[in-house]
Amino acid sequence: EAGVAQSPRYKIIEKRQSVAFWCNPISGHATLYWYQQILGQGPKLLIQFQNNGVVDDSQLPKDRFSAERLKGVDSTLKIQPAKLEDSAVYLCASSLGGSQPQHFGDGTRLSIL
Amino acid sequence: QKEVEQNSGPLSVPEGAIASLNCTYSDRGSQSFFWYRQYSGKSPELIMFIYSNGDKEDGRFTAQLNKASQYVSLLIRDSQPSDSATYLCAVTPNSGYALNFGKGTSLLVTP
Repeated sequence: EAGVAQSPRYKIIEKRQSVAFWCNPISGHATLYWYQQILGQGPKLLIQFQNNGVVDDSQLPKDRFSAERLKGVDSTLKIQPAKLEDSAVYLCASSLGGSQPQHFGDGTRLSIL
Repeated sequence: QKEVEQNSGPLSVPEGAIASLNCTYSDRGSQSFFWYRQYSGKSPELIMFIYSNGDKEDGRFTAQLNKASQYVSLLIRDSQPSDSATYLCAVTPNSGYALNFGKGTSLLVTP
């Protein structure tokens, strides 16, 4: 079974630029999550999708972050404009739903200069 | 934001010993509990999950849950140097299924 795919693996941009990340979940997984992990911290939820609908985006900084999952499979997360504090690893996870375990992709490491 | 607390460590154990990792959580209504292992520069990898009070064993790993004390632990028997990593405790809240993570405990297994 293929795991969660994410791209790119690394991204370096200057502050105020925009960036986008892509995630393809495990086949058949209806629930998709985006987490932000700052160095030395545990992952923090940004947004949760169930199929193509948003379940929880309460911790998403909506003035600069956006995410979509238009066809209920792939998802993109965008930051515009980026701030220095956005330097982190952005992790995508998927699950069958409910309390089923979440499986993580390799993440995208974002550095803001 | 409900809290998940872990001792940051590092926890150092000799090879072959039992490593005991602990986690407490503040949301009394939490239903699902997970342990992830994260090697430096890598993403979290699911190790164990537990939903009911008591013990759950899988190979060298045992997860223990005590909902009354709001406490979950992970025991690693016959620890190996390859077990050296950060162990993240994650808990689902009373409502919803997104994970609340602790900051992780760094485990070092010395040969």
